[in-house]
Amino acid sequence: AQRVTQPEKLLSVFKGAPVELKCNYSYSGSPELFWYVQYSRQRLQLLLRHISRESIKGFTADLNKGETSFHLKKPFAQEEDSAMYYCALYNFNKFYFGSGTKLNVKP
Amino acid sequence: GAVVSQHPSWVICKSGTSVKIECRSLDFQATTMFWYRQFPKQSLMLMATSNEGSKATYEQGVEKDKFLINHASLTLSTLTVTSAHPEDSSFYICSGTDSYEQYFGPGTRLTVT
Repeated sequence: AQRVTQPEKLLSVFKGAPVELKCNYSYSGSPELFWYVQYSRQRLQLLLRHISRESIKGFTADLNKGETSFHLKKPFAQEEDSAMYYCALYNFNKFYFGSGTKLNVKP
Repeated sequence: GAVVSQHPSWVICKSGTSVKIECRSLDFQATTMFWYRQFPKQSLMLMATSNEGSKATYEQGVEKDKFLINHASLTLSTLTVTSAHPEDSSFYICSGTDSYEQYFGPGTRLTVT
């Protein structure tokens, strides 16, 4: 069965510090993985997907099939990055979400 | 970007009544729409997947007779919570996909008294 695990409920860092939000998945095939972000009082929106191999708002995420991970990273966190981040796996026309990590970037 | 709207954004109903929530894709045709439920400080739980013109596929543990989903067109899906009870109080979120990306609605807060 598909499962997405985000072990940290809350991550607090200071502005300018590096940040890594962890995501591990369990899936036997070739996964499609995404990161979604939800800013305060806004709807969920796509941040990035592993297929695109892009950097959005300074965030990157690399799919590591050996470790079944898709950690989200940013070298220098900004206060506006404070939000809820959800890792998601797409399979057979369904999305499976992790429990989310709240990122708090302190000034 | 593509926009998904939900109506109402907030509803209070009495126990035993039914409530309908609408989900619309405003500027794209959603081949598939998803309905999620989110409890406070928890993640989104997929309830069902609906494709236009066909019956919804419900996730395990979700009562199809209680949560009626209709996807009559490529731009509209509705979720009806029948005979609502206080335990149905939650935040319901829909999303639509154009097969490339998933776009989320703002959510509907349901409170059953």
